[in-house]
Amino acid sequence: DTGVSQDPRHKITKRGQNVTFRCDPISEHNRLYWYRQTLGQGPEFLTYFQNEAQLEKSRLLSDRFSAERPKGSFSTLEIQRTEQGDSAMYLCASSPMGSRKHGTYRLGADTQYFGPGTRLTVL
Amino acid sequence: GIQVEQSPPDLILQEGANSTLRCNFSDSVNNLQWFHQNPWGQLINLFYIPSGTKQNGRLSATTVATERYSLLYISSSQTTDSGVYFCAVVDDYKLSFGAGTTVTVRA
Repeated sequence: DTGVSQDPRHKITKRGQNVTFRCDPISEHNRLYWYRQTLGQGPEFLTYFQNEAQLEKSRLLSDRFSAERPKGSFSTLEIQRTEQGDSAMYLCASSPMGSRKHGTYRLGADTQYFGPGTRLTVL
Repeated sequence: GIQVEQSPPDLILQEGANSTLRCNFSDSVNNLQWFHQNPWGQLINLFYIPSGTKQNGRLSATTVATERYSLLYISSSQTTDSGVYFCAVVDDYKLSFGAGTTVTVRA
C-alpha cells in the first residue's frame, strides 16, 4: 500500500487569498478525515467523509472552509479569504472503516493513517 | 467529547535510558492509537491498542481500558526517538488527541 499523500506540502499565501489542498487516501479506504494542528497542540478534527458523503463537520470549520470528495477517492480542502489565524498544519487521514474488505466491526478497521500534512502560512 | 490528557508534557532523556509516557482518557473507548510525530510533522502510527499489551522492538504499550489509561514504554532510548508522542482515542467517528509528550533524547 502506498500511504496517504498530500499536496502541496507547504503553502505561503497572503491574507485574503484562497487556497486549496489535496489529499489522496490509501486505496480502498472508505473514510477520509481532515484535521488541523496548531503549534504545540494535538491535531483537531475538522471533517470526515464516508466515500463521497461528508458526514460530519466540526464547529472549527467556518463558512470559509469547504471540503469535497467528489468520487469517493481524493479530497480537497479549500479555505477562502484566508486569515492569519488559519496558519496551521492541515492533516489528512484515511481508514478502511466500512469498506468491503474491512467492514465496520473488524478489529482495527477504524485505525487512521495520516499523510505528511500541508503547512499553511498566512502572511 | 472525550478528554485526553498526556503526561509528562516534556521529557529529556540520556541515550540508553528507559521511560514511560502516560495517557488518561475520560470515557470508555473502543480504539486507542499512539503516534510519533517526526520533525517534519508526519504522524507515524506506533500502536493500535484498545486493550492489552503490544510490543514493537524497543517500544511497547499497555492499555487498561477499565481504568481509562494507556502507557507507552520506550526502552534503551536513541536520539531518533526524539519527537512528540501523541495518544488519540476514537470519540465516535473522529480521533481526539492529547496535547502530546515532547521527548528529547540526548547523545
